[in-house]
Amino acid sequence: GESVGLHLPTLSVQEGDNSIINCAYSNSASDYFIWYKQESGKGPQFIIDIRSNMDKRQGQRVTVLLNKTVKHLSLQIAATQPGDSAVYFCAESSSGGFGNEKLTFGTGTRLTIIP
Amino acid sequence: DAGVTQSPTHLIKTRGQQVTLRCSPKSGHDTVSWYQQALGQGPQFIFQYYEEEERQRGNFPDRFSGHQFPNYSSELNVNALLLGDSALYLCASSRYEGRGNTIYFGEGSWLTVV
Repeated sequence: GESVGLHLPTLSVQEGDNSIINCAYSNSASDYFIWYKQESGKGPQFIIDIRSNMDKRQGQRVTVLLNKTVKHLSLQIAATQPGDSAVYFCAESSSGGFGNEKLTFGTGTRLTIIP
Repeated sequence: DAGVTQSPTHLIKTRGQQVTLRCSPKSGHDTVSWYQQALGQGPQFIFQYYEEEERQRGNFPDRFSGHQFPNYSSELNVNALLLGDSALYLCASSRYEGRGNTIYFGEGSWLTVV
């Protein structure tokens, strides 16, 4: 069945360093991917998305890389700040990003920024 | 511009009871999806509503039902509550067939079944 998994459940990064969070997916029909940040007690917050016709997309301090060959995507956060501490989820869909998505989430990676 | 709003934020119910959770989508959005997030896990898709109809459904029993109103707001109903239904229930809104539109989540409703 469909599944989205993460390589590491926890990640600790020194403040100011760059962090990379990885995610593997198994559904070859997946064509739309989103990264969410979830702080304790809050709902998921959209970070960045990417469609399967792209390999890379950049936002403010964040970059998402997609490797369809090995079904892998990553989230890079530049110059991490204490406010980046949260659980990060990748989510995938096979609906192309048209708004009517049924998202499949992984279990998440907890990112801790060390001051 | 209000984002996705959910109510109540926290509630406690007894096993066997019924619960109704409410969601108002972000302005301009017409599609509402519901997710269940157990502690320490990622959200799981329950179902999605568009034009007041259930369009997609995840692997959840019929005890989970919903409704969408003409103003696009939505309700999630869970009957015959089980202890395992204790979770954070998240509402997500989007615009149907709106390429390039982002899916936004609300802060969720924490349900504890005792």
